[in-house]
Amino acid sequence: DTAVSQTPKYLVTQMGNDKSIKCEQNLGHDTMYWYKQDSKKFLKIMFSYNNKELIINETVPNRFSPKSPDKAHLNLHINSLELGDSAVYFCASSQSAAQETQYFGPGTRLLVL
Amino acid sequence: GENVEQHPSTLSVQEGDSAVIKCTYSDSASNYFPWYKQELGKRPQLIIDIRSNVGEKKDQRIAVTLNKTAKHFSLHITETQPEDSAVYFCAACKYGNKLVFGAGTILRVKS
Repeated sequence: DTAVSQTPKYLVTQMGNDKSIKCEQNLGHDTMYWYKQDSKKFLKIMFSYNNKELIINETVPNRFSPKSPDKAHLNLHINSLELGDSAVYFCASSQSAAQETQYFGPGTRLLVL
Repeated sequence: GENVEQHPSTLSVQEGDSAVIKCTYSDSASNYFPWYKQELGKRPQLIIDIRSNVGEKKDQRIAVTLNKTAKHFSLHITETQPEDSAVYFCAACKYGNKLVFGAGTILRVKS
């Protein structure tokens, strides 16, 4: 059983395009996250939602827009893609917004050409 | 905000030896410290965590120690095996706040 899943697994696109990444968790968790892992493996949080409400919004360009239609889903839409957006994007979830174990999805490898 | 530093950035050990990875944090209010292991091309996975009310926690070959006064915590892996080769991340947070990760340590276990 897949706990946290993401689609697509790979995404190769041209600069200037708009793309979306989808995330779903079947753990019954209340809180979901988006992380960006750059080429140096640094993991940095971008957004967090708790029960569909945005609770963490890091200094991220407003070309990135998260959306949580329900607490099991968190999507990430990126407008006007730039070369520097190339990275691995991980979705994660936790039982609550408190200090709980975060379970990561398999990642989406985005390459902007 | 919280800042987490992690050392060393790479660590090579012989199979069977011990490995130690150290992290320091800046916010004295942080009270949750997880460690994640990420194998090549895979997702980060929690291997052990510690909360500020304890100084040490063990799980088989893995242990974590916490020194709140000095604001540092360490991961200890004993009897290393080739399958321990991965990137290890420490992280810190305080209640209700985001997890801040260290930069990661590439551990190579040579057989």
